Amino acid sequence: DTGVSQDPRHKITKRGQNVTFRCDPISEHNRLYWYRQTLGQGPEFLTYFQNEAQLEKSRLLSDRFSAERPKGSFSTLEIQRTEQGDSAMYLCASSFRATTHLLLGELFFGEGSRLTVL
Amino acid sequence: DAKTTQPPSMDCAEGRAANLPCNHSTISGNEYVYWYRQIHSQGPQYIIHGLKNNETNEMASLIITEDRKSSTLILPHATLRDTAVYYCIVRSDNYGQNFVFGPGTRLSVLP
Repeated sequence: DTGVSQDPRHKITKRGQNVTFRCDPISEHNRLYWYRQTLGQGPEFLTYFQNEAQLEKSRLLSDRFSAERPKGSFSTLEIQRTEQGDSAMYLCASSFRATTHLLLGELFFGEGSRLTVL
Repeated sequence: DAKTTQPPSMDCAEGRAANLPCNHSTISGNEYVYWYRQIHSQGPQYIIHGLKNNETNEMASLIITEDRKSSTLILPHATLRDTAVYYCIVRSDNYGQNFVFGPGTRLSVLP
């Protein structure tokens, strides 16, 4: 399977603990996005990378959140000192920065990592 | 904030066409209309997108009104596997612009 993969799929942690999620994008895609989704809502944008550069961060991304994409391939999203409000599905997506209007960089999503903070 | 308005839920009988409406009255000239869907416990999946003309692919058809203020996604023969949340998104052709998801329409295909 050459789609976007995320690990772990499920994580249960206690409040105050740190958690890290990993995303492996489609190999030829140079853009990588992180979204968060809570129950009954659509995905909310958190941040995105073009290659290794983090180009945009949402104000939802508090200082407890950090994302990296050190070699422009896989990415990690770390949440420090987790709070119950961090419980959500964390979705990763990748896209190709196209040069024609035929490919507008549609997003390909992974299955998500579901975080439960007790 | 999402620039689109969709009904929160719809039902459709299996085998019938599902017509999902979307209002985007503030759409600008360089913004495309995208549709994604999300089946329970999976990530969103791209369906189709268009600018002005109607579009069709193996999954669906997209009908955009002439004034571009609204559109309809058509699933011609809905199956139970089409039960999902459907998101309508407008996005410019600026490659830096992100996809902003609203709450979408929950489509239930009934046997």
